[in-house]
Amino acid sequence: AQSVTQLDSQVPVFEEAPVELRCNYSSSVSVYLFWYVQYPNQGLQLLLKYLSGSTLVKGINGFEAEFNKSQTSFHLRKPSVHISDTAEYFCAVSEKGGTALIFGKGTTLSVSS
Amino acid sequence: GAGVSQSPSNKVTEKGKDVELRCDPISGHTALYWYRQSLGQGLEFLIYFQGNSAPDKSGLPSDRFSAERTGGSVSTLTIQRTQQEDSAVYLCASSFMLGGYTFGSGTRLTVV
Repeated sequence: AQSVTQLDSQVPVFEEAPVELRCNYSSSVSVYLFWYVQYPNQGLQLLLKYLSGSTLVKGINGFEAEFNKSQTSFHLRKPSVHISDTAEYFCAVSEKGGTALIFGKGTTLSVSS
Repeated sequence: GAGVSQSPSNKVTEKGKDVELRCDPISGHTALYWYRQSLGQGLEFLIYFQGNSAPDKSGLPSDRFSAERTGGSVSTLTIQRTQQEDSAVYLCASSFMLGGYTFGSGTRLTVV
């Protein structure tokens, strides 16, 4: 069965700095990969997804992620963060063939001025 | 409807009571998921329905938890003999084919 590891539980950064949130997955078959964001007291919102094709995926709010099959990673990046990016970020994976979407434990991104 | 609807939004129940949580997915979505979100625990997968296939129940934490999906649409998650550790936000999501998972706002369950 697939699993997801988000290596950092908390990432504090200053406004306008770049950020990378790390995600590694484990699976014996091909996968689909996702990043979701949860702002304080709000529901989950899809940031971006990788289904096939180009390994560099661009999402909303200036975020992007790169699928690296050899390293089984799907790290999320943003070149310049804003205070409003403060939120919980979740990486998720499902296996091709139709299995459950499994989430990592989340990374709290805290952006300060 | 336009989104995934969950009810109630909040539920306070006494320890030992049974509770039912409802999820109304987006019309036409064939897949439906239940997750539990506890503070600091991320999203814990509970159960997954896909079309007419047998559900994937591998995430249900105990036999006190069960779920059904009637007519391929509305789903009910039932927790029997609730315990304090069941307190969490229960999230439902639906999708059609690949990658279009939409989450509801959740039901906040508090067991006192």
